[in-house]
Amino acid sequence: KNEVEQSPQNLTAQEGEFITINCSYSVGISALHWLQQHPGGGIVSLFMLSSGKKKHGRLIATINIQEKHSSLHITASHPRDSAVYICARSNRDDKIIFGKGTRLHILP
Amino acid sequence: EPEVTQTPSHQVTQMGQEVILHCVPISNHLYFYWYRQILGQKVEFLVSFYNNEISEKSEIFDDQFSVERPDGSNFTLKIRSTKLEDSAMYFCASSEGPYNEQFFGPGTRLTVL
Repeated sequence: KNEVEQSPQNLTAQEGEFITINCSYSVGISALHWLQQHPGGGIVSLFMLSSGKKKHGRLIATINIQEKHSSLHITASHPRDSAVYICARSNRDDKIIFGKGTRLHILP
Repeated sequence: EPEVTQTPSHQVTQMGQEVILHCVPISNHLYFYWYRQILGQKVEFLVSFYNNEISEKSEIFDDQFSVERPDGSNFTLKIRSTKLEDSAMYFCASSEGPYNEQFFGPGTRLTVL
């Protein structure tokens, strides 16, 4: 069983739509990460959070520690947001356990 | 803006050969990591490195793998005798501290023939 589960696996939406990607994890964490992987393969860290909510531009990440659940939201989605979004968790050790990713495709 | 760099971008090797993948972490970072991603699969942790020694490693990181910080800037991953299943994208990352945001390099695509 994967320790980090994401849904949906694939998501296609129209430009401008509000996007939500969900992440559940099975053990306690020190931090939850949201990362973006572009078609070329490069990985960019979007958020690292351990409680509450963080916002950066059109991206919002929330986490509910009690429910072991996090969401990534994209407002006013744009075709350039098309990428794989990866949820990952870290604990008291310094390694990150990754989810399988959500492939997002925004249509113009 | 400082960034993690990796060379080469693509490495092709024959099965059984040794390869060394190179990374230059961000200069004031103290923690270094290697991850791999087999095509179509999720990213997997290999090893973390701090203060010139391995701090954590996964079960993937067996005796054929080793890491080294040969000088003040480079961080290398050596695979001693490559196998077909070692074909993957290898990502290096670095962070200021163990619980800080990690910055990833662009990756090295390793193809073992």
